[in-house]
Amino acid sequence: GENVEQHPSTLSVQEGDSAVIKCTYSDSASNYFPWYKQELGKRPQLIIDIRSNVGEKKDQRIAVTLNKTAKHFSLHITETQPEDSAVYFCAAITLRWINDMRFGAGTRLTVKP
Amino acid sequence: DSGVTQTPKHLITATGQRVTLRCSPRSGDLSVYWYQQSLDQGLQFLIQYYNGEERAKGNILERFSAQQFPDLHSELNLSSLELGDSALYFCASSVGSTGGNIQYFGAGTRLSVL
Repeated sequence: GENVEQHPSTLSVQEGDSAVIKCTYSDSASNYFPWYKQELGKRPQLIIDIRSNVGEKKDQRIAVTLNKTAKHFSLHITETQPEDSAVYFCAAITLRWINDMRFGAGTRLTVKP
Repeated sequence: DSGVTQTPKHLITATGQRVTLRCSPRSGDLSVYWYQQSLDQGLQFLIQYYNGEERAKGNILERFSAQQFPDLHSELNLSSLELGDSALYFCASSVGSTGGNIQYFGAGTRLSVL
């Protein structure tokens, strides 16, 4: 499989604005797409995930959309807050007997107060 | 605290040496995953074990090896270390064998190769 492309690599927004991070993948067999948030010096933490049979999933200010035809998925954060500042990683995972996991290079999000 | 324990937190060694990183998964989790994160880089998946058996393999070098023991803890062995191996190594665990299970990450081991 090929790596997951993630854009942008850095994103700066004003507090209260929305932030969108996009990922594309190449393996059409990928069927699970988690997003991780990693604050400076800390461990990655899962913030939201989506499976291939769902087009959109929301959890309060966070949403993820998936377009399987185009092989891309996006993370949307609304009403951003300074504590949303972190590096966000997407991943495309193919669930099978031997799993295949590919991560994006990360997006450094800065929310300015 | 995720419940995943990694030791040591920091490790400083010289090129050519061999080190072992240890991971204890959350209670009840059968899968252990290893990742490498170089400075300002993304997460590189290395390898996954489920209940003692290798279940997935990523970009793991031949100089690296891992195993999962009967008590489910795992060790990542890095040998013939090079400067470029300096990175943060994360372990994660999940209940099931497939990547669809939520992975809980440990705090990581920071390896510095001098």
